[in-house]
Amino acid sequence: ETGVTQTPRHLVMGMTNKKSLKCEQHLGHNAMYWYKQSAKKPLELMFVYSLEERVENNSVPSRFSPECPNSSHLFLHLHTLQPEDSALYLCASSRFRDSYNEQFFGPGTRLTVL
Amino acid sequence: GIQVEQSPPDLILQEGANSTLRCNFSDSVNNLQWFHQNPWGQLINLFYIPSGTKQNGRLSATTVATERYSLLYISSSQTTDSGVYFCAVARGNEKLTFGTGTRLTIIP
Repeated sequence: ETGVTQTPRHLVMGMTNKKSLKCEQHLGHNAMYWYKQSAKKPLELMFVYSLEERVENNSVPSRFSPECPNSSHLFLHLHTLQPEDSALYLCASSRFRDSYNEQFFGPGTRLTVL
Repeated sequence: GIQVEQSPPDLILQEGANSTLRCNFSDSVNNLQWFHQNPWGQLINLFYIPSGTKQNGRLSATTVATERYSLLYISSSQTTDSGVYFCAVARGNEKLTFGTGTRLTIIP
């Protein structure tokens, strides 16, 4: 148990569906992250939030829309996804955004797009 | 950005054996973390070790920052140690950059 939870753990959706991934951290951290892990590829950083403000968006398609309503919760809203978006989506948090801070990861949501 | 290389890419060992995993990085860093990803995808923090040596039970790690490498030692391997081990580094306000991992398989 890392103090970071994610729901759902598994999600199957069609290309026309809209769904949301949820992440919650119980560590009192101020920065939260979304990562994507595809088969045979290194983890890719998607979004970074610091004190609820988006500070980084790594050229992610607009069909992925993040939301950070407070420092404990992070969402990833999904719509009109493609089969190549199937992957493990990991949420992480750290005390502050700078590199000196250790990141802690949630268990991930395994997404399959049909 | 920083380059991270891990070796070996795959390692198969008998239960009870010891192993050493290596992480090389291309520039000075403020953050170096070792993770174990279990078969269900969870990334477990093993060590936060930008420099020096740490030990936690059967696991230990050493980072030689001046020579830009880190080693993860696993002693008396158990089947539950199987999975992928990732090294990740960062500096300044740059993102955490992950290596491609070492897949460890422990055979009973």
